[in-house]
Amino acid sequence: GAVVSQHPSRVICKSGTSVKIECRSLDFQATTMFWYRQFPKKSLMLMATSNEGSKATYEQGVEKDKFLINHASLTLSTLTVTSAHPEDSSFYICSATQPGGRANTQYFGPGTRLTVL
Amino acid sequence: AQTVTQSQPEMSVQEAETVTLSCTYDTSESDYYLFWYKQPPSRQMILVIRQEAYKQQNATENRFSVNFQKAAKSFSLKISDSQLGDAAMYFCAYRSGTSGSRLTFGEGTQLTVNP
Repeated sequence: GAVVSQHPSRVICKSGTSVKIECRSLDFQATTMFWYRQFPKKSLMLMATSNEGSKATYEQGVEKDKFLINHASLTLSTLTVTSAHPEDSSFYICSATQPGGRANTQYFGPGTRLTVL
Repeated sequence: AQTVTQSQPEMSVQEAETVTLSCTYDTSESDYYLFWYKQPPSRQMILVIRQEAYKQQNATENRFSVNFQKAAKSFSLKISDSQLGDAAMYFCAYRSGTSGSRLTFGEGTQLTVNP
C-alpha cells in the first residue's frame, strides 16, 4: 500500500518559536495532501487541504498565518506552526491521496506530537 | 453538509468473538465512498475497509466486513474472530464522489478486546 511519512514524530519547543512538520508520500505522487489536528480521544479535525503548486485551502476557523502550508512538490507538504503557543500543543496528522488510485483513498502519516512549553 | 455519526463511544468484545460497530451518515448525494479507519495506540491511521456507494455488495477484508444499507444511510463494521490487536479507536468516514477528496469523520468508537 501507499506509504506516507511524517517528520518529526515528536517535537518540543518554546513558546514563540516556529516549528516545521514535513509530510512525504514515499512511493507515490500526491497531488493533494491534507493536514489534520487531533486532540486526545477525539476525532480528526481537518485544518487545510494542500494542492501541489497552489495555495492551501484552510478550513473555517483555522488561522492561515499561524499554520503555514507549503506543497512545493508532488511528494512533500510542510506545515509550519508560527509563533507557537501552548494552546497549539496537539497531535498533527497529514494524509495524501494518490491520483488515479482507488477512489482517491487517503493514506495517513504516523503523526507528529507537538508540545509547546 | 455531510455528517457522520458513531453512536457508540466505547465497545468491548471477548477475544475470538464478533463485534459490530455502528455508523450512520447523512448526505443528499448518490455518489460517495465510505471508509472505516483504525487508530491503534500508536495513533497511525490504518485503512480497514472501503465501500463504494454504487456497489450493492458489501465489502469484505478478511475478518472485517461491512453491512451497507444505502437507503437507511447505515454503514456498520463487523469484526469476526476478534484479536487483541484489533483493540483501537475506529473511525467511520465519508467522502463525496463528486466534490473533492476530503473526508468527513465520525467521532470514533473505542474498541477494547478482552482476553
